[in-house]
Amino acid sequence: DVKVTQSSRYLVKRTGEKVFLECVQDMDHENMFWYRQDPGLGLRLIYFSYDVKMKEKGDIPEGYSVSREKKERFSLILESASTNQTSMYLCASRSPGQGMDGYTFGSGTRLTVV
Amino acid sequence: QQQVKQSPQSLIVQKGGISIINCAYENTAFDYFPWYQQFPGKGPALLIAIRPDVSEKKEGRFTISFNKSAKQFSLHIMDSQPGDSATYFCAASKAAGNKLTFGGGTRVLVKP
Repeated sequence: DVKVTQSSRYLVKRTGEKVFLECVQDMDHENMFWYRQDPGLGLRLIYFSYDVKMKEKGDIPEGYSVSREKKERFSLILESASTNQTSMYLCASRSPGQGMDGYTFGSGTRLTVV
Repeated sequence: QQQVKQSPQSLIVQKGGISIINCAYENTAFDYFPWYQQFPGKGPALLIAIRPDVSEKKEGRFTISFNKSAKQFSLHIMDSQPGDSATYFCAASKAAGNKLTFGGGTRVLVKP
């Protein structure tokens, strides 16, 4: 089974801090995604990456950046954390050859910005 | 602006009852409609998916009904069990695409 591992289950950070959320997948998937999950809003796409060093903005990229230096690792960066970025962050990966059924999500990182 | 609207936000059903969750979409280019199930502390996992060439798909106790002209689709959970208690998300995308667009989610509680 594909494993998508998010390094932290819970994080508490202060306003203005630079925050790194890490995601690692173990199945050589080309595509990786970062979503945030908020009650009533579902999951919204922040950024995704087609392959190493390639990235594309999703629906809500403001205040975020990403890094993908290695195929298995996709990092989400909050340049200057703000309280409105308190949320659950979910990473996902997929191989294009699997079609859209192939999405696999990590268990999430719950970030609180105080 | 949510491209996929999901209702209700929460649902309580007795064991053995039917849970029904509805979704409506706007983008007529969407041609892949999955449902995801999420348990507390876990990420969403694919439950069942449908493409618009069929009006219904059934897998065990889970059925998707699809109405292309109305741009609506729904999930029916037959003979609901306490183990079905979870949050359910509908989503939509282009089958040849990459990005999933999710509905707002429905928290389902099945009472024993």
